[in-house]
Amino acid sequence: QVQLVQSGAEVKKPGASVKVSCKASGYNFDAYSIHWVRQAPGQGLEWMGGIEPSSGATEFALKFQGRLTMTRDTSITTAYMEVTRLTSDDTAVYYCAREGGGDDVFDNWGQGTLVTVSS
Amino acid sequence: QSVLTQPPSVSGAPGQRVTISCTGSSSNIGADYDVHWYQQLPGTAPKLLIYDNNNRPSGVPDRFSGSNSGTSASLAITGLQAEDEADYYCQSYDSSLGGSVFGGGTKLTVL
Repeated sequence: QVQLVQSGAEVKKPGASVKVSCKASGYNFDAYSIHWVRQAPGQGLEWMGGIEPSSGATEFALKFQGRLTMTRDTSITTAYMEVTRLTSDDTAVYYCAREGGGDDVFDNWGQGTLVTVSS
Repeated sequence: QSVLTQPPSVSGAPGQRVTISCTGSSSNIGADYDVHWYQQLPGTAPKLLIYDNNNRPSGVPDRFSGSNSGTSASLAITGLQAEDEADYYCQSYDSSLGGSVFGGGTKLTVL
């Protein structure tokens, strides 16, 4: 079965960076893009961007351009998301999701990674 | 504020039918981009509920259905059950922003 397993919770200081991993299994990793969606406490879902594992091509939401890096390691079927220059507004649960079943259809999700930004 | 607008909350009694609206614009739903719906139970990751406007993934009961009209979409839930109490999000593509957008979410309460 398709599984996306994310790395554990992180606590960071303002100005720092955080890198979250998403280990995929149960399907051909190269064939489906991985996207990142975040959810601030008590708030809704916010799309951040996505990466196509086969080529490494990325797309970003405008507000994250310049601060978000997405990479992948196909040898270990893992995608990564790094956000730099963190502020308290970046405190959120970060999810990875597989784009499957159609364009922009997120059919499988990771369990989420809580990133807390606090001085 | 979200690009796609949803009511913050809806409610219904067990067995009833409820609908959740998702209002967009000419750069997303009105441009014929597909709408998808997700269900998020408390403390869990979102789950795909409806894709491409009105299709259900395997395992999703046929009590859930989706529809579109103009710049809006709707999710309908019939035969409401206690286990349906969750947050629901619509999603589409926006050509002005060049990426995916979500609605603000709707909390469904089963009375």
